[in-house]
Amino acid sequence: DAGVIQSPRHEVTEMGQEVTLRCKPISGHNSLFWYRQTMMRGLELLIYFNNNVPIDDSGMPEDRFSAKMPNASFSTLKIQPSEPRDSAVYFCASSLMQRGDTQYFGPGTRLTVL
Amino acid sequence: RKEVEQDPGPFNVPEGATVAFNCTYSNSASQSFFWYRQDCRKEPKLLMSVYSSGNEDGRFTAQLNRASQYISLLIRDSKLSDSATYLCAVTGNTGGFKTIFGAGTRLFVKA
Repeated sequence: DAGVIQSPRHEVTEMGQEVTLRCKPISGHNSLFWYRQTMMRGLELLIYFNNNVPIDDSGMPEDRFSAKMPNASFSTLKIQPSEPRDSAVYFCASSLMQRGDTQYFGPGTRLTVL
Repeated sequence: RKEVEQDPGPFNVPEGATVAFNCTYSNSASQSFFWYRQDCRKEPKLLMSVYSSGNEDGRFTAQLNRASQYISLLIRDSKLSDSATYLCAVTGNTGGFKTIFGAGTRLFVKA
């Protein structure tokens, strides 16, 4: 079975540009999570969805960040406008159930904002 | 105080050594506990879940101490391939069962 798929794997952009990260969760999983990882702050939960509905977006840094999940097989995380401090690895993860189930991570998108 | 705390290390141990990591959590109502392993420039992957009764998987043993609010991971007979960062994860019963990850403990196993 295919795991969590993320694209692009690497993104280099200039400050002020819009960035869209994409995620396809494991088929049949009904919870999806977006994380950001940096050396300074570790792995931070940005937002998560259950059955395509956003449950907790308290980790979204600011209004420049938005996430959508239009259907069970696709989610996007958008940053507009991007800033150098957004540079990080962004992981998408999915799980079968919301409540404390194992999370399966995608390979991540390494974002660099110049 | 962070919700989930780990000693960042690094832990440098020789092959064959036994090494233990602890992870403390602040939410006494936390319900699920996990250890993940993350290799350099890779995604975290589940190593093992942590049950109240403790659990063992080969050279790895995980335990939960609810009274003191910590979980532990013991690695026996360390291998070079065990070198990685070990993240603990705790799921609470607030905020829709959000999972919080620790910052990770780095382990280097040397020949």
